[in-house]
Amino acid sequence: ETGVTQSPTHLIKTRGQQVTLRCSSQSGHNTVSWYQQALGQGPQFIFQYYREEENGRGNFPPRFSGLQFPNYSSELNVNALELDDSALYLCASSLAGTQTSPLHFGNGTRLTVT
Amino acid sequence: LAKTTQPISMDSYEGQEVNITCSHNNIATNDYITWYQQFPSQGPRFIIQGYKTKVTNEVASLFIPADRKSSTLSLPRVSLSDTAVYYCLSVTTGGGNKLTFGTGTQLKVEL
Repeated sequence: ETGVTQSPTHLIKTRGQQVTLRCSSQSGHNTVSWYQQALGQGPQFIFQYYREEENGRGNFPPRFSGLQFPNYSSELNVNALELDDSALYLCASSLAGTQTSPLHFGNGTRLTVT
Repeated sequence: LAKTTQPISMDSYEGQEVNITCSHNNIATNDYITWYQQFPSQGPRFIIQGYKTKVTNEVASLFIPADRKSSTLSLPRVSLSDTAVYYCLSVTTGGGNKLTFGTGTQLKVEL
């Protein structure tokens, strides 16, 4: 069974640039969610995708967008990067019906915006 | 959006039982409570999940009172390797799914 993998592991971008982060779901999982975790804080929910459709979103501006592909892998895109976007970005996959299906997390992408 | 709060930190010694409480003031009727463990530079890892009363698995117990406004994660006989940050998570499904992590509790276990 393949776990959740994220790429890249580290990334440095300049303010105003755009970034794309990638996530491969655990085998058999059809739901993916993304989180932003600032240093010393808990993960903040960005959005969730189920069968290629967004089915939940946290309090993040529209410049945070995502995609889920037919193989259930996913991308997180962030436009017009700001310094405060520097954080660990986590992806988690689960089975449909997140209520009772535990989230399986990758180890994240560390994004630094300078 | 649900608001969940936890103690910032707790200290314990090996072999002791540790109880970490999470307050979730806006929990909805059908929300489940899940707890995760996170080590530095890693993603959170599932520990236990419950809806009400008591749930036990091979690593922890979860107590949820009747009003479900809080939950308590119980770790029996902790070891040094249990030093980590512990998060509770509630999932709200009204108007689209929203997943809210607690503020996190840094547990430090010493000899």
